Amino acid sequence: QSALTQPASVSGSPGQSITVSCTGTNNDIGSYNYVSWYQQHPGKAPQLIIYAVKKRPSGVSVRFSGSKSGNTASLTISGLQAEDEAVYLCCSYAGTGTPYLFGSGTQVTV
Amino acid sequence: QMQLEQSAAEVLKPGASVRVSCKASGYTFSNYFLHWLRQAPGLGLEWMAWIDPNSGETDFAPNFRGRVTLTSDKSINTAYMELSRLTSADTALYYCARGGAATFPLSFPVWGQGTMVGVSS
Repeated sequence: QSALTQPASVSGSPGQSITVSCTGTNNDIGSYNYVSWYQQHPGKAPQLIIYAVKKRPSGVSVRFSGSKSGNTASLTISGLQAEDEAVYLCCSYAGTGTPYLFGSGTQVTV
Repeated sequence: QMQLEQSAAEVLKPGASVRVSCKASGYTFSNYFLHWLRQAPGLGLEWMAWIDPNSGETDFAPNFRGRVTLTSDKSINTAYMELSRLTSADTALYYCARGGAATFPLSFPVWGQGTMVGVSS
């Protein structure tokens, strides 16, 4: 299985909304509603911000939302803030073989 | 507070083996799968394997089967990942991460701080 495809970078101004895409195949994103998103600041471990496509762990800002259409998942950050500047990684369950596939990460710049 | 504390960075020669430890605290160690992932410099995350600390059952990504050994010690809430026959391509930051079980299905809500493993002659 190949890794998921994410844009290398996305930028926006404070207060704006941006969307980060994550494209997979019928064998991963297209087959399972288990896409998760992680925020990673420099030198830090990833932090779960979205699971099961669109659910938010408690404590994660409501400005983060997730969705999925076909083989593509999306993370939207609304009301962009300086603290949102980080790398965002998507992950999809992919069944047997290699059960978890990750994207290469998207650098979000505010 | 749920935490995973990993062992310190290591530098090894090609052909050697490395063992990374991951000590859990703040939750019941036996109740959650423990996953191992790695992040090579400038690249994305790669899932390697998981272990069920309760049963010792394991599963591996095809790329790592036969070269990775996972163990756990419930008495000290610690899991171990051993990677053998190291090459320069194994230079990466290695993470342990707790599985989400039913609360956060098929995701990774708790992460260790990462262990840098360098392979160089």
